[in-house]
Amino acid sequence: TQTVSQSDAHVTVFEGDSVELRCNYSYGGSIYLSWYIQHHGHGLQFLLKYYSGNPVVQGVNGFEAEFSKSDSSFHLRKASVHWSDSAVYFCAVIDGSSGNKLIFGIGTLLSVKP
Amino acid sequence: NAGVIQTPRHKVTGKGQEATLWCEPISGHSAVFWYRQTIVQGLEFLTYFRNQAPIDDSGMPKERFSAQMPNQSHSTLKIQSTQPQDSAVYLCASSLDWGWYTLYFGAGTRLSVL
Repeated sequence: TQTVSQSDAHVTVFEGDSVELRCNYSYGGSIYLSWYIQHHGHGLQFLLKYYSGNPVVQGVNGFEAEFSKSDSSFHLRKASVHWSDSAVYFCAVIDGSSGNKLIFGIGTLLSVKP
Repeated sequence: NAGVIQTPRHKVTGKGQEATLWCEPISGHSAVFWYRQTIVQGLEFLTYFRNQAPIDDSGMPKERFSAQMPNQSHSTLKIQSTQPQDSAVYLCASSLDWGWYTLYFGAGTRLSVL
């Protein structure tokens, strides 16, 4: 079974700072990784995904993520955060060995202070 | 495109009562997923359908939970004899394609069992 782990439960930064949210995956063959964002009281929204090709993928609102096979990582980054980026961020992996379902990490709460 | 629609947004039941949650996927999407979200467990996969057929229900508690997709325009999640531990936000999502898919989530139904 493929899984993802998000080591930081809560990250706090100031508006304009850069941020990196960490995600590590367990290897299980074909890799499909993605990031989703959840604002308070809402459902999840897709940010970006990787399954092959350029290891740096661009997403919406200035987010990008870099896949690293050597580190088993898929960290999410943003160069300059805005207060509206405050939300919970979920890393996810498709578990191809078990029904092809999308499995989510525990989430990282990003708080952006003005 | 109204997105994935979940009704009701909030449902309160007494212990032992039945709860039925509704989901209308995005028109044309071939797969529908159900997840449960709690503070303690995070996002838990429950079940999913592809082209209305049940594919994987490995996350469903076996005795009281059931899901159906009688037509391509809606899916239901039914919980019989609800218990306080069933209190959670239930999220429905749909995807257009298969393989390396992207999920589009509804806003969720918050179930509170008193």
